[in-house]
Amino acid sequence: QVQLVESGGGLVKPGGSLKLSCAASGFTFSDYYMSWIRQAPGKGLEWVSYISGYGSSIYYADSVKGRFTISRDNAKNLLYLQMNSLRVEDTAVYYCAREVPGAINWFDPWGQGTLVTVSS
Amino acid sequence: QSVLTQPPSVSGAPGQRVTISCTGSNSNIGAGYVVHWYQQLPGTAPKLLIYGNINRPSGVPDRFSGSKSGTSASLAITGLQAEDEADYYCQSYDSSLSGSVFGGGTKLTVL
Repeated sequence: QVQLVESGGGLVKPGGSLKLSCAASGFTFSDYYMSWIRQAPGKGLEWVSYISGYGSSIYYADSVKGRFTISRDNAKNLLYLQMNSLRVEDTAVYYCAREVPGAINWFDPWGQGTLVTVSS
Repeated sequence: QSVLTQPPSVSGAPGQRVTISCTGSNSNIGAGYVVHWYQQLPGTAPKLLIYGNINRPSGVPDRFSGSKSGTSASLAITGLQAEDEADYYCQSYDSSLSGSVFGGGTKLTVL
């Protein structure tokens, strides 16, 4: 079945870096756009970034532009999010999600999430 | 502050019907972009509930239905059950932000 599993979260100091990974299985990874979406503790969902199937199209939310980099390795079915210059407000559970093509793409499925805590 | 506005909470008794609104603007829902809905059970990842305004993925009960009109969309849940207690989020696209946007989420309490 289609499955996404995130890893790489943890505790990091403000200004630090962290790289998240998302392992995909059960579908042809390169056929799909993939996104990162985050949820701060007790808050709602915030879309962070997407990448097209072969990485030719990439987009970021303004809140992370210039600090985060999304990438993928289709040979290994892996999605990444390199997070630099982390801020306290980046503290959140980070989900990876497959984008299903439609008039407006929807996210299905989602991984279980990985918690990133930015604190001194 | 979310681009799409949802009520923070709604509640209903078992068996009743509740609706959750999602209000946008002319740069998102009002521009004709479709709306999707997600259910997030406590302590779990969001799960797709409705896509393309009105469509239910396989496995989603027909107690859940979606609609859209003008700059708003709605999720209706009939025959409320205790297991429906969750957070619900709407999602669309915003042309001014050039990206996906979510509502702030609505917590459904089954009394």
